[in-house]
Amino acid sequence: GENVEQHPSTLSVQEGDSAVIKCTYSDSASNYFPWYKQELGKRPQLIIDIRSNVGEKKDQRIAVTLNKTAKHFSLHITETQPEDSAVYFCAASLNSGYSTLTFGKGTMLLVSP
Amino acid sequence: KAGVTQTPRYLIKTRGQQVTLSCSPISGHRSVSWYQQTPGQGLQFLFEYFSETQRNKGNFPGRFSGRQFSNSRSEMNVSTLELGDSALYLCASSRDRGPNSPLHFGNGTRLTVT
Repeated sequence: GENVEQHPSTLSVQEGDSAVIKCTYSDSASNYFPWYKQELGKRPQLIIDIRSNVGEKKDQRIAVTLNKTAKHFSLHITETQPEDSAVYFCAASLNSGYSTLTFGKGTMLLVSP
Repeated sequence: KAGVTQTPRYLIKTRGQQVTLSCSPISGHRSVSWYQQTPGQGLQFLFEYFSETQRNKGNFPGRFSGRQFSNSRSEMNVSTLELGDSALYLCASSRDRGPNSPLHFGNGTRLTVT
């Protein structure tokens, strides 16, 4: 089955810096890659997603890039703010159902003022 | 529009008991998925229901089961509870199973097995 590796497990940055989280996936048939943000004690929330026919997608300070050949995708957060502090999860899905996601183990992002 | 609602928020059970968790999806959403979240294993897919039918199942033992009702509400059941079943159980809904229907998660049910 699909396997998603996520790095780093923790990331500390200063406010205003950029943060990059990287994920690799094993199944070349995967074609949907969402990112979720989970604040302490709260539910995971979708922040951005990308499909395999797109190489890059941006939404304000957040961007995701996808390299299908290398089977990896990355989340980029620019101008980080303390409220960006949370655990971020990447995920991958096969065409059989976008609801069936395989998640990475998560990255705890800490943004210091 | 109300989000995904899960009840109860917290549960404490003892080994060997069974438990039923409930999930009400966002109005109009027909697909419901369940995930188990633990510190060690992260988020793991349990199963997905659409139109009252189980469409996909994750790699969990048969003690884990679920169902979906005609109003799209879903329940999951865990029988013969083990200590390792302690986790946050998250329900997620989506409008359908297509490419423009992202998952929306509920706040979860925290199950503690003693």
